[in-house]
Amino acid sequence: DTAVSQTPKYLVTQMGNDKSIKCEQNLGHDTMYWYKQDSKKFLKIMFSYNNKELIINETVPNRFSPKSPDKAHLNLHINSLELGDSAVYFCASSIRGGAGEKLFFGSGTQLSVL
Amino acid sequence: KQEVTQIPAALSVPEGENLVLNCSFTDSAIYNLQWFRQDPGKGLTSLLLIQSSQREQTSGRLNASLDKSSGRSTLYIAASQPGDSATYLCAVFYNTDKLIFGTGTRLQVFP
Repeated sequence: DTAVSQTPKYLVTQMGNDKSIKCEQNLGHDTMYWYKQDSKKFLKIMFSYNNKELIINETVPNRFSPKSPDKAHLNLHINSLELGDSAVYFCASSIRGGAGEKLFFGSGTQLSVL
Repeated sequence: KQEVTQIPAALSVPEGENLVLNCSFTDSAIYNLQWFRQDPGKGLTSLLLIQSSQREQTSGRLNASLDKSSGRSTLYIAASQPGDSATYLCAVFYNTDKLIFGTGTRLQVFP
């Protein structure tokens, strides 16, 4: 039973389109995250939510809008997709979002913008 | 600036060798350091987590050490196997509540 699951696994789309990536965790964690891994394999945090509230928003264009309907879900909606958005996006969760907590990652969504 | 660097970027070794992966970080004000494994098309799996007060952690054939004063961590893999082939990521949880990842070491163990 997958702890942190993301859908879709692959997403290929045209520039200018709007797309969403969904994430769900069944660990009962309070905090969820979105990370972006670029072509050089560098992972960087984008957002974190604690109990449906935005905690971290790292200089991400406002075309990216996370939505957390409940603490088990954190979806990522991207408007007006650009070529530079192509990357692998990882969802993660931790118990309370406290400093130094262990993170559990999903398997990633590979986004290709053509 | 808080950075995490991993050396080497890639490593190819024959099965059975003991090997060391290196991670260095620029700021010693950390909560902990984690080593992850990333397989192609899959997510990250946490291997070992070392708290800032600890010097090392062991799990099976893996041993991770932490030297805060010098800003270094090593991941030691004993008796490597082809199944160990993956990318290994080091991540440092700084006191600023940010988890900063290194760029990884891509390991290939051939039979």
